Amino acid sequence: DAEITQSPRHKITETGRQVTLACHQTWNHNNMFWYRQDLGHGLRLIHYSYGVHDTNKGEVSDGYSVSRSNTEDLPLTLESAASSQTSVYFCASSENTEAFFGQGTRLTVV
Amino acid sequence: ILNVEQSPQSLHVQEGDSTNFTCSFPSSNFYALHWYRWETAKSPEALFVMTLNGDEKKKGRISATLNTKEGYSYLYIKGSQPEDSATYLCAFVMDSSYKLIFGSGTRLLVRP
Repeated sequence: DAEITQSPRHKITETGRQVTLACHQTWNHNNMFWYRQDLGHGLRLIHYSYGVHDTNKGEVSDGYSVSRSNTEDLPLTLESAASSQTSVYFCASSENTEAFFGQGTRLTVV
Repeated sequence: ILNVEQSPQSLHVQEGDSTNFTCSFPSSNFYALHWYRWETAKSPEALFVMTLNGDEKKKGRISATLNTKEGYSYLYIKGSQPEDSATYLCAFVMDSSYKLIFGSGTRLLVRP
């Protein structure tokens, strides 16, 4: 069965460190998205991609970057982790219809 | 910044009650409106994808309507059950961008 997986599921890191969260999908979807979930805000879009070598900024992209070197993966990098980036991160993919979500990564920046 | 609003923020009902929530979105450049169900400790799962003004979708006891001209969608749950307890998210898609902009969700708790 096709799926979308995120790793790690939980991570604790220190302020200032670079962190990369992985997202891998086997749906062969062109569209991939990264969201963060914070209390009172629902899901806010960080970055998204419509295909290989395409990346776009979402509404809360500062301090984050992504790269898309193949269809399956869209890693999210926090260049220099800050406490404000403590959150639950969700990756999603779609092919112009419903989105499928990963299980989420809980990141704590201390 | 696109504004997608959901109300109420949370709702507590008794088992057997029927309930409904609202999603408001920009009425211009509409492409699609999605509804997702999000249970605690799980990931969101799609309920409906709606694209046409006047669309009505139904899945079991859950149904949704869409008004693109005035920019709102309603989600209805008939005869709520404890297993319906979850956060219900709507997501607006503008033009054919396929970028989903989510509302903050309605958290439903159904008491036995």
